[in-house]
Amino acid sequence: GAVVSQHPSRVICKSGTSVKIECRSLDFQATTMFWYRQFPKQSLMLMATSNEGSKATYEQGVEKDKFLINHASLTLSTLTVTSAHPEDSSFYICSASPRDRADTQYFGPGTRLTVL
Amino acid sequence: GQQVMQIPQYQHVQEGEDFTTYCNSSTTLSNIQWYKQRPGGHPVFLIQLVKSGEVKKQKRLTFQFGEAKKNSSLHITATQTTDVGTYFCAVNTGTASKLTFGTGTRLQVTL
Repeated sequence: GAVVSQHPSRVICKSGTSVKIECRSLDFQATTMFWYRQFPKQSLMLMATSNEGSKATYEQGVEKDKFLINHASLTLSTLTVTSAHPEDSSFYICSASPRDRADTQYFGPGTRLTVL
Repeated sequence: GQQVMQIPQYQHVQEGEDFTTYCNSSTTLSNIQWYKQRPGGHPVFLIQLVKSGEVKKQKRLTFQFGEAKKNSSLHITATQTTDVGTYFCAVNTGTASKLTFGTGTRLQVTL
């Protein structure tokens, strides 16, 4: 149990385009989902906290208009990188917390974004 | 904000040698979690420590939470090549489920 999927696993796009990444909790309902970014050989940095049915809470320094987050249901959150640039190239990882275990996060497999 | 430092940043051992990574926080923690991330993979939850001075074991892995609940360690006995990866500690901050990850320790094991 407690499986989180992400799609796509890898994406290459041209500078200026937008990319949408999906995060799904497959066998549980997640009231809260998190989005992280990880640059090579660095730690995971929390970008935003996504709560079902409400606006996402962004960490300091993360542009909410650039990284659009939608959490439309208890099993799906999406992250859209708008007008992507090469410096947005990174490994994006989502996680989800079950309704009955708010202190636990299950991580998705990640999405590797390369912006040319 | 919350700062969580890990040392060493990188360690290279020969198979069979022991390995330890240390996690230090600037503030007292309610709990601490440990994750392993294989190269190219995502973080996988290993364990959560809650009590002061707590020690937990998982086969060759021993996790310890400091008495003051400001530091923690992960010790691997007799490393194997399957132990290769980056080990992160993570602490709850702000809301109950929000996590701040440590800087990580990358372990390389060679034969």
